[in-house]
Amino acid sequence: SYELTQPPSVSVSPGQTARITCSGDALPKQYAYWYQQKPGQAPVMVIYKDSERPSGIPERFSGSSSGTTVTLTISGVQAEDEADYYCQSADSSGTYVFGTGTKVTVL
Amino acid sequence: EVQLVQSGAEVKKPGEFLKISCKDSGHSFTNYWIGWVRQMPGKGLEWMGIIYPGDSDTRYSPSFQGQVTISADKSISTAYLQWSSLKASDTAMYYCARLQALGGERYFDYWGQGTLVTVSS
Repeated sequence: SYELTQPPSVSVSPGQTARITCSGDALPKQYAYWYQQKPGQAPVMVIYKDSERPSGIPERFSGSSSGTTVTLTISGVQAEDEADYYCQSADSSGTYVFGTGTKVTVL
Repeated sequence: EVQLVQSGAEVKKPGEFLKISCKDSGHSFTNYWIGWVRQMPGKGLEWMGIIYPGDSDTRYSPSFQGQVTISADKSISTAYLQWSSLKASDTAMYYCARLQALGGERYFDYWGQGTLVTVSS
């Protein structure tokens, strides 16, 4: 089955840059999406189509893609960015998959 | 504005039947796929399946095929997730979400608030 692999955790000081990777074999052919989930809340999309930012999402969130890896970058991290982040994609058979998730801790 | 409102928390015993719901208060229920996502306690998101309420076309994740049933009633803009015989391992938060599928794009743009299902003897 198709898998998307993320690091379990990333720690960053306020104002610094957090980078979260997501690796998967189908990523060169399929778009990736990123969701932020805070405790007790439903996920919210922060990046779509690898690097596009939905309206209302701060500019400090950005995305990039290279080969089988996509990256979510949070520049100038703020305390409110502490959350779990999940990548998501689909394969050619119409199966959807979420990444393993990364907990971002703001020190 | 699209709003997905899910039914309330449930506490059930192993072996019991359960059907939870997800109502779309918008006006486009039959034009989009609705998906279900499981989140077990302290764990990540897992895609379970999707349904197109317009014609009830349903697709399941291999991990959930045969374990749950996804259905929809387009007359009341509501999607459902049901279990015929619950297990303790079904204890989780369940989210419904609208699937945006345009061209090569495939993502969940609107989410319900989640339904917590607890299965315990």
